[in-house]
Formats: sequence, C-alpha cells, structure tokens
Amino acid sequence: GAVVSQHPSRVICKSGTSVKIECRSLDFQATTMFWYRQFPKKSLMLMATSNEGSKATYEQGVEKDKFLINHASLTLSTLTVTSAHPEDSSFYICSARDSPWDTQYFGPGTRLTVL
Amino acid sequence: AQSVTQLGSHVSVSEGALVLLRCNYSSSVPPYLFWYVQYPNQGLQLLLKYTSAATLVKGINGFEAEFKKSETSFHLTKPSAHMSDAAEYFCAVAESNFGNEKLTFGTGTRLTIIP
Repeated sequence: GAVVSQHPSRVICKSGTSVKIECRSLDFQATTMFWYRQFPKKSLMLMATSNEGSKATYEQGVEKDKFLINHASLTLSTLTVTSAHPEDSSFYICSARDSPWDTQYFGPGTRLTVL
Repeated sequence: AQSVTQLGSHVSVSEGALVLLRCNYSSSVPPYLFWYVQYPNQGLQLLLKYTSAATLVKGINGFEAEFKKSETSFHLTKPSAHMSDAAEYFCAVAESNFGNEKLTFGTGTRLTIIP
C-alpha cells in the first residue's frame, strides 16, 4: 500500500523559534497533500491543502504566515511553524493522495512541543 | 456543508463480543464515507471506505460498515472483538466534488477491549 512518512516524529523547541516538518510520499506521486492538526483527545482539523507547484489553500482561521506550507515536488511537502509558541504545541499529521478520486494516505504524525 | 457525528466517545466491549461504532453524516451531495483507526501516537490507517458502490463495505482486520442512506448512517461493526482492536476510531465524510474532496472527521470513538 501507499506509504507516507513524516519527519521528525517528535520535536521540542523553544518559544520564538521556527520548526519545519516534512511529509513524504514514499511510493507514489502525491499531487495533493493535506496538513491536519490534532489536539489531545480531539478530532483532526484540516489546516491546509497543497497541490504540487501551487500555493496552499488554508482553512478559515489558520494563519498562513504562521504555518508556511511548501509543496515543491510530487513527493515532498513541508510545514514550517514560524515563531512557535506554546499554544502551537500539538500533533501534526499530513496526508497525501495521487489523484482526486484516490484515498488519502496518512503519515504517522509529528508531535510538536513548544516550551 | 458536510459533517459527521460519532455517538459515544468511549465504547467498551468484551473480547470476543460484537463491536458497534456509530457514525451519522450530513452531506449536501452523495458522500464518500471512511473509517480510520488511530493507535496511540500514530497517524491514521484506513479501515474501509464507501464510494457509492456496494452499500456493505468490508475492510481490513475483519471490520465492515453499511451505508444506509435513509438513516444517513455508516456504522462500523466487527463480529468478534480482539484485544488488538483497542484504538481510536474516526469516521469521516468527503463530498464527492471532483478535485475538491476535503475530509471532515468526527470527534472519534475510543474503543476499549475488556479481557
């Protein structure tokens, strides 16, 4: 089956620093990647949708200058949390799909802790 | 707008007993429906999906779900629970608009298996 990886799996950073999270599709070309945020014991909240080579589309309430998304290749998307604060601490999960009628395949998630 | 309601944030069943996790959806167009499973500190794994073909969908690990349009439901079942089924389960809906299939997740149901 299709495999999506994320790196790092866990990251701890100081308040005010920036953190980059990578999402890779290992055995398929991901024309679209999605970034979700999951709060403890809560559901997944879609943050943004990115298509390869295009600017990401952000969901309402998500600050695009805070959460920078780059999808420069068919196998890699990055999420950069800029000037991170403790309230940005969360579990970030990406997903990827090859085509609009394809299933989304999810990565294992990245746990971000901002001190 | 689409939405998903999962009845029961926690469900406990005895090992070997029937598993029933409830999901009701709301969608303005024919929906695609999904069940995902999440183990602790991991991403989501697709259990099964409904995409307007057979109303009874069989998935991995012995799970199945039935799409009932009249009840706007997509409940997940497994005849005999196993200890390894203990996890968080998410129902999700995507409106089948070509090229714009964003997933909307329910709040999840934590399944506990009693030995």
